[in-house]
Amino acid sequence: DAGVIQSPRHEVTEMGQEVTLRCKPISGHDYLFWYRQTMMRGLELLIYFNNNVPIDDSGMPEDRFSAKMPNASFSTLKIQPSEPRDSAVYFCASSVLRDQPQHFGDGTRLSIL
Amino acid sequence: AQSVTQLGSHVSVSEGALVLLRCNYSSSVPPYLFWYVQYPNQGLQLLLKYTSAATLVKGINGFEAEFKKSETSFHLTKPSAHMSDAAEYFCAVTRSYNTDKLIFGTGTRLQVFP
Repeated sequence: DAGVIQSPRHEVTEMGQEVTLRCKPISGHDYLFWYRQTMMRGLELLIYFNNNVPIDDSGMPEDRFSAKMPNASFSTLKIQPSEPRDSAVYFCASSVLRDQPQHFGDGTRLSIL
Repeated sequence: AQSVTQLGSHVSVSEGALVLLRCNYSSSVPPYLFWYVQYPNQGLQLLLKYTSAATLVKGINGFEAEFKKSETSFHLTKPSAHMSDAAEYFCAVTRSYNTDKLIFGTGTRLQVFP
């Protein structure tokens, strides 16, 4: 079975540009999570969805960040406009139930110049 | 509220030596606890989980962890380290009911020397 698929794996762009990160969860998983990982702050939960509905977005740092899940097999995390401090590795994870183990994608390494 | 504290951001052991990675949790309700491992340039993978059944939990790759309520600990151990165990390890907690998001610790980087 395919795991959680994220694209792109690497993204380098200039500040001010719009960045869109994509995630395909494991089929049948009702929960989808977006995380950000940096050396300074570790692993932070940004937002999570249940059945395509955002449940908790309290971790979204600013209005520049937005996330959508138009259907059960696709989610996006968008940053507009991007800033150098947004540079990080962004992970998507999915789980069958809220208290079941999360399966992580390999992440998107984002560099904002 | 739930939280986890991982003592030691870096741990170094020799190949064949005991691995001990420490995790203490704080939770106002019975917790579920997890250990995840992250290899370079990869996402996190589940090593093992505690969900209020047996207090000694066995995971993949020879790792195990023991839930000790009296010590609010969930330390990860492996009797004999292998070079391939070099990675970053994360402890995580969530509530066992009305389950909310996972709260991760800051991680412990394990180095294994030949």
